[in-house]
Amino acid sequence: GENVEQHPSTLSVQEGDSAVIKCTYSDSASNYFPWYKQELGKRPQLIIDIRSNVGEKKDQRIAVTLNKTAKHFSLHITETQPEDSAVYFCAASMNNFNKFYFGSGTKLNVKP
Amino acid sequence: DSGVTQTPKHLITATGQRVTLRCSPRSGDLSVYWYQQSLDQGLQFLIHYYNGEERAKGNILERFSAQQFPDLHSELNLSSLELGDSALYFCASSAYMENTGELFFGEGSRLTVL
Repeated sequence: GENVEQHPSTLSVQEGDSAVIKCTYSDSASNYFPWYKQELGKRPQLIIDIRSNVGEKKDQRIAVTLNKTAKHFSLHITETQPEDSAVYFCAASMNNFNKFYFGSGTKLNVKP
Repeated sequence: DSGVTQTPKHLITATGQRVTLRCSPRSGDLSVYWYQQSLDQGLQFLIHYYNGEERAKGNILERFSAQQFPDLHSELNLSSLELGDSALYFCASSAYMENTGELFFGEGSRLTVL
């Protein structure tokens, strides 16, 4: 089955700095890669996603890049703010969306 | 509010017992997924139902079972509970359409096994 690895497990940045979280996947059939943000005590929520026919996608301060050949994708957050502090999960799925495999999560701490 | 309702929010029980967690998906969503999140751990995929039929299984123990009913709500049954089953159990629903894979998570059911 699919195996999604996520690094780093914790990340601490100063407000205004950029943050990068990286994930790798094992199944070349995976072609949908969402990122979820989970604030403390809350449910995970989708923040951005990318499909395998696209190399990069941006939404304001967040962007995701995908390298299909290397089987890795990354989340980039620019101009970080304290409210970006949360746990971020990457995930991988095939087009049929039968299974979503999540990474182990990255706890991002943005220091004011 | 995601529109996904999970009950109960909290549950404390003893080892060897059986519990049932309930999930009502967003209106119109046919897919329901169950995930287990242990302390400081990621989201472990358990099982996926679509319109009453099992679509995929993940790392679900034999002591666990699930079903989706005609009204599309789903139940996750956990039996012969062990201490290690203590976790936050999330249900998520999806429209399961070709152009969107977004999962809408409920608030979770926190299970504590003593």
